[in-house]
Amino acid sequence: GAGVSQSPSNKVTEKGKDVELRCDPISGHTALYWYRQSLGQGLEFLIYFQGNSAPDKSGLPSDRFSAERTGGSVSTLTIQRTQQEDSAVYLCASSSQSLNTEAFFGQGTRLTVV
Amino acid sequence: AQSVTQLDSQVPVFEEAPVELRCNYSSSVSVYLFWYVQYPNQGLQLLLKYLSGSTLVKGINGFEAEFNKSQTSFHLRKPSVHISDTAEYFCAVSESYKLSFGAGTTVTVRA
Repeated sequence: GAGVSQSPSNKVTEKGKDVELRCDPISGHTALYWYRQSLGQGLEFLIYFQGNSAPDKSGLPSDRFSAERTGGSVSTLTIQRTQQEDSAVYLCASSSQSLNTEAFFGQGTRLTVV
Repeated sequence: AQSVTQLDSQVPVFEEAPVELRCNYSSSVSVYLFWYVQYPNQGLQLLLKYLSGSTLVKGINGFEAEFNKSQTSFHLRKPSVHISDTAEYFCAVSESYKLSFGAGTTVTVRA
């Protein structure tokens, strides 16, 4: 596609439910990132995938969070047993190599846990 | 480890006035520096980046930034703002591949 695509754009879920957020990066981009944007908190790094290398999961806030990237393309961020503090905008970005080149961001998924 | 500090959380400015958004970073190694802009209800887009070479970097929409290694700063400037520049601006630092962001500066341009 023309840009990074994320779905859904908005998600409201009940506390304790699991959610899956999807990211479709720009075709050919080997690097993929997930960030979380909370009000007044800036962007928090969550996880990074680069080609077939083991992902850097150092930013995941708890073991309720996991992510995978199938076939080096689409990525899914899963949050299990959601809590109210998980409410945020989840942003995905991709780039052609690493971050000395531009990272292109999707529009994000706004997650609200009620 | 790297960190990014944006010194102003909110910057109100009148149309056609200049604006400067301050960004300081901490890192023990060479870094790449970026400014991103997020317009209301949109995703982030790159304004400009510093990788190497000239310390004065020009970006889109008339913005420029100056890298100052001794002061570990990368301040963003525009000599004359428009209403359409109302947005949130993020400074970011890349050390190897991890992009770390500041908390953001909200710029509100008033007529």
